[in-house]
Amino acid sequence: NAGVTQTPKFRVLKTGQSMTLLCAQDMNHEYMYWYRQDPGMGLRLIHYSVGEGTTAKGEVPDGYNVSRLKKQNFLLGLESAAPSQTSVYFCASRKLAGLESYNEQFFGPGTRLTVL
Amino acid sequence: GESVGLHLPTLSVQEGDNSIINCAYSNSASDYFIWYKQESGKGPQFIIDIRSNMDKRQGQRVTVLLNKTVKHLSLQIAATQPGDSAVYFCAEKKTNEAAGNKLTFGGGTRVLVKP
Repeated sequence: NAGVTQTPKFRVLKTGQSMTLLCAQDMNHEYMYWYRQDPGMGLRLIHYSVGEGTTAKGEVPDGYNVSRLKKQNFLLGLESAAPSQTSVYFCASRKLAGLESYNEQFFGPGTRLTVL
Repeated sequence: GESVGLHLPTLSVQEGDNSIINCAYSNSASDYFIWYKQESGKGPQFIIDIRSNMDKRQGQRVTVLLNKTVKHLSLQIAATQPGDSAVYFCAEKKTNEAAGNKLTFGGGTRVLVKP
């Protein structure tokens, strides 16, 4: 049981290049999230998904796209990278809440992205 | 928009002492408050949560206190250990399954444990 994994761990892009970050979870979780974390700051939600085939915008969605074609994978795309997108990106997943509300999100180890 | 924030960016604690990490929130509609721990180079890890109708909840060596009158949340760590050195984030949530039960995170407090 690997939990939440992210690839790649590090990446350097030039302005205007594109790339896709992959998040995978093996816990059969319904919900998946993409966050960015800038130095000295908390996490800000980019996009999220409440199930396979569905995605929604979070707090800072501009410049990013996502897809959830399979339940276990959540992809984050940058079509034309900008220096402002230099950040550490975290993926998280969470199971569907039952009768009690459930608040634990499981996070991946992060991807450190630098855009020159 | 409404947000969650923290009073102290860095907290130095002697090993064995108790730590208290504070957080202020502004969204009175939030029904859960959560604490996460982030060690260097890792993703955040859930510690404990508290429902808005409670004022105290205890876990293993941790206690979360909620004061809704002044919109204040705190995390107390008993007998702080070197492994407690990390950045601690508070987060709030307004339960909405259809909207993903999104969390709003605060800015974080770094805890440094001195031997």
